Amino acid sequence: QKEVEQDPGPLSVPEGAIVSLNCTYSNSAFQYFMWYRQYSRKGPELLMYTYSSGNKEDGRFTAQVDKSSKYISLFIRDSQPSDSATYLCAMKTSGKSTFGDGTTLTVKP
Amino acid sequence: GAVVSQHPSWVICKSGTSVKIECRSLDFQATTMFWYRQFPKQSLMLMATSNEGSKATYEQGVEKDKFLINHASLTLSTLTVTSAHPEDSSFYICSARETGGGEKLFFGSGTQLSVL
Repeated sequence: QKEVEQDPGPLSVPEGAIVSLNCTYSNSAFQYFMWYRQYSRKGPELLMYTYSSGNKEDGRFTAQVDKSSKYISLFIRDSQPSDSATYLCAMKTSGKSTFGDGTTLTVKP
Repeated sequence: GAVVSQHPSWVICKSGTSVKIECRSLDFQATTMFWYRQFPKQSLMLMATSNEGSKATYEQGVEKDKFLINHASLTLSTLTVTSAHPEDSSFYICSARETGGGEKLFFGSGTQLSVL
């Protein structure tokens, strides 16, 4: 079993929709939780970073962490075609990061 | 946010030659850098952790003599793919963690290597 499982997708939504991206994990030692956005043939870009349970909001993006359920989510409000990309969740203790396999999102105009 | 520059963005080489990829942190110092490999529609596979001034730590199954890593300064790490073969063709990405800057990683833009 992988330490980090990410909903595989792909996901296709109309412009303006609310998008929910999800990951579960098994290692209770994970302390830091990140979401990255990766466009095709580009390096990942850090979107959200958090280390506590609860919600963290940044513009149209909200990261949610539930440590008791070992579950994290990324919500995108008012999705735009420019949000079309692969989204990677990542988690770490104090060492290396463990990445999910990514969810590819397409937002159709 | 912090910027990591990776060069070249793509390279085509003949089988048996060596290819060097550079990863630079432009506006911060990075004691630790990471090198990943990514296959199409798959996630990042950590190859090695590069520490400034010391030997890199390689993940299980990664040949250290094949993938040479040098981290000679706080802003530059290089990955050299030696005697490249077609099976080495892949997308290689580096990331850097700012010294004293917490746990955030900043990624380079990646290098697409094609070995003919």
